[in-house]
Amino acid sequence: NAGVTQTPKFQVLKTGQSMTLQCAQDMNHNSMYWYRQDPGMGLRLIYYSASEGTTDKGEVPNGYNVSRLNKREFSLRLESAAPSQTSVYFCASRDRTTYEQYFGPGTRLTVT
Amino acid sequence: AQSVTQLGSHVSVSEGALVLLRCNYSSSVPPYLFWYVQYPNQGLQLLLKYTSAATLVKGINGFEAEFKKSETSFHLTKPSAHMSDAAEYFCAVSGGYQKVTFGTGTKLQVIP
Repeated sequence: NAGVTQTPKFQVLKTGQSMTLQCAQDMNHNSMYWYRQDPGMGLRLIYYSASEGTTDKGEVPNGYNVSRLNKREFSLRLESAAPSQTSVYFCASRDRTTYEQYFGPGTRLTVT
Repeated sequence: AQSVTQLGSHVSVSEGALVLLRCNYSSSVPPYLFWYVQYPNQGLQLLLKYTSAATLVKGINGFEAEFKKSETSFHLTKPSAHMSDAAEYFCAVSGGYQKVTFGTGTKLQVIP
């Protein structure tokens, strides 16, 4: 039981490049989330998915797209990376019964 | 709409002293409230949660929090700080099963 896994752990991009952050959970949770964490700003919600086939914008969706590929996987895509997207990205899933979120280890992204 | 305010981005306590981390929330519906802890270079893990049962909630590592509706507060306490408690703590609110909104975090320093 791996919980929530994220790949890659680290990534450096040049401005304008694209990439996809992968997230998978093996806890059979319906809801999944993408957050970014920046110093002094806590975690800010980028997108979330209440169930397979649905996605909704969070606080800071601009510059990002998501895909809920199936119940297990929820990917985050940066189409044209900008230095303002330098951050640590966390994926999470949520247990419908206990309301608890489970977090992945994070992806540290630097855009130069 | 929902929001969380954590007073004090940095808190320092002596080892053995009381830990008090403050959290005030705003929610248009009965809230679910959470405290998460983050150790350096790790993801977040749940400390404790309030989901409309007992107002005094006990969590892991000796932490507890009290839900006070009249004060819209959910402050985190621990009677005696330990060196291993040094970490960043996040308060979060959810109005249901969907969005979870996090505060900006409080870094706890424990002085020997």
